Amino acid sequence: QSALTLPRSVSGSPGQSVTISCTGTSSDVGGYNYVSWYQQHPGKAPKLMIYDVSKRPSGVPDRFSGSKSGNTASLTISGLRAEDEADYYCCSYAGTYTFLFGGGTKLTVL
Amino acid sequence: EVQLLESGGGLVQPGGSLRLSCAASGFTFSSYAMSWVRQAPGKGLEWVATVSGSGGSTSYADSVKGRFSFSRDNSKNTLYLQMNSLRVEDTAAYYCVKDRPYCSGGTCAWGQGTMVTVSS
Repeated sequence: QSALTLPRSVSGSPGQSVTISCTGTSSDVGGYNYVSWYQQHPGKAPKLMIYDVSKRPSGVPDRFSGSKSGNTASLTISGLRAEDEADYYCCSYAGTYTFLFGGGTKLTVL
Repeated sequence: EVQLLESGGGLVQPGGSLRLSCAASGFTFSSYAMSWVRQAPGKGLEWVATVSGSGGSTSYADSVKGRFSFSRDNSKNTLYLQMNSLRVEDTAAYYCVKDRPYCSGGTCAWGQGTMVTVSS
């Protein structure tokens, strides 16, 4: 059960777009359309931003979008805002009722 | 409104035991799988365990298999995580999660977490 691979940090200026990539294997990200993305502000519980690769829960702005190609899932945040600065995690089903998270990416809004 | 309230965290010595609870409300408890996810201080999220809606099926991360036991009481809308043979590396905030952590369907919810510290 190895963690999914995320960049340690990404950054962008307000109004720009950033993409965070989550790399796994054919046994997890590549094998199932069960990838989700969470946003976590310091001291807070994670908040679901994307589920089932590309779906947004109600209340999540359409600036957040998800996609997948092969063993890599991606979260794109367009029109960056100061409040988007947070840690982001991907999560994937990994078969036999097990689940994996990525190590987390710190997004800095410059 | 979905509410998940964890309790039972605290300080325990290496090799000791602790039982976490999670009281759930605001949804049909027995219809959902439930999970625990932990986060060590300054570190990322780690899936710990998941139990099916009936409680008849459980799965565990390799890091806790054989030491942790996850159960539920659907008559009390409560989850239990029995943690034995605790190690320093088990120190983390433990979150109770409605549904599986990948949250298919987008209806999952997280509690605010309870802190477990394993130290001598």
